[in-house]
Amino acid sequence: DTGVSQDPRHKITKRGQNVTFRCDPISEHNRLYWYRQTLGQGPEFLTYFQNEAQLEKSRLLSDRFSAERPKGSFSTLEIQRTEQGDSAMYLCASSPGYDEKLFFGSGTQLSVL
Amino acid sequence: AQKITQTQPGMFVQEKEAVTLDCTYDTSDQSYGLFWYKQPSSGEMIFLIYQGSYDEQNATEGRYSLNFQKARKSANLVISASQLGDSAMYFCAMRDWSGNTPLVFGKGTRLSVIA
Repeated sequence: DTGVSQDPRHKITKRGQNVTFRCDPISEHNRLYWYRQTLGQGPEFLTYFQNEAQLEKSRLLSDRFSAERPKGSFSTLEIQRTEQGDSAMYLCASSPGYDEKLFFGSGTQLSVL
Repeated sequence: AQKITQTQPGMFVQEKEAVTLDCTYDTSDQSYGLFWYKQPSSGEMIFLIYQGSYDEQNATEGRYSLNFQKARKSANLVISASQLGDSAMYFCAMRDWSGNTPLVFGKGTRLSVIA
């Protein structure tokens, strides 16, 4: 059990660029979640997967945000045409099932200049 | 929809003393779970303790205990014998079990332990 891994830890980009973050959940965890956390706030839910199926995506902040989990293992979160307001910590979490606690990664800190 | 309220932006506690972090919640569901997470400066969210809405006894995990008052819709975290390493952000969270909803977090409380 190596924990939830996120890459990169930090990303600095210019406004208008596309960015992609990767999350490797704990192996055999069926559920994978993406959250966004801004300074002074708690994590805000974005989307989640049950295996490869994306079960909830209405909370994604705009159509510039998309997420995939192609083989039910790792997941990617992409932000297109980044804006300064996208600057935040993006957290990934996984769980064995829907009624289990979430295990979080260390997050990807995005700074949009 | 669920809502979590943490009214203490920051708290100070002397090392070895106990501290209570407040959390109130709002939900119309009868079946739900309450969680506390710790977030040190490294950024990772660390699970501390869980309380189910139907659990009759307050949850305890080592130095952490959850003071669950269902009628008041409160789920306060009590940390006994505070240590310097307890300095961190603490988040209360909940989810209901009826609609398969995601975990909803409060804004957090920053705890500082003083030597």
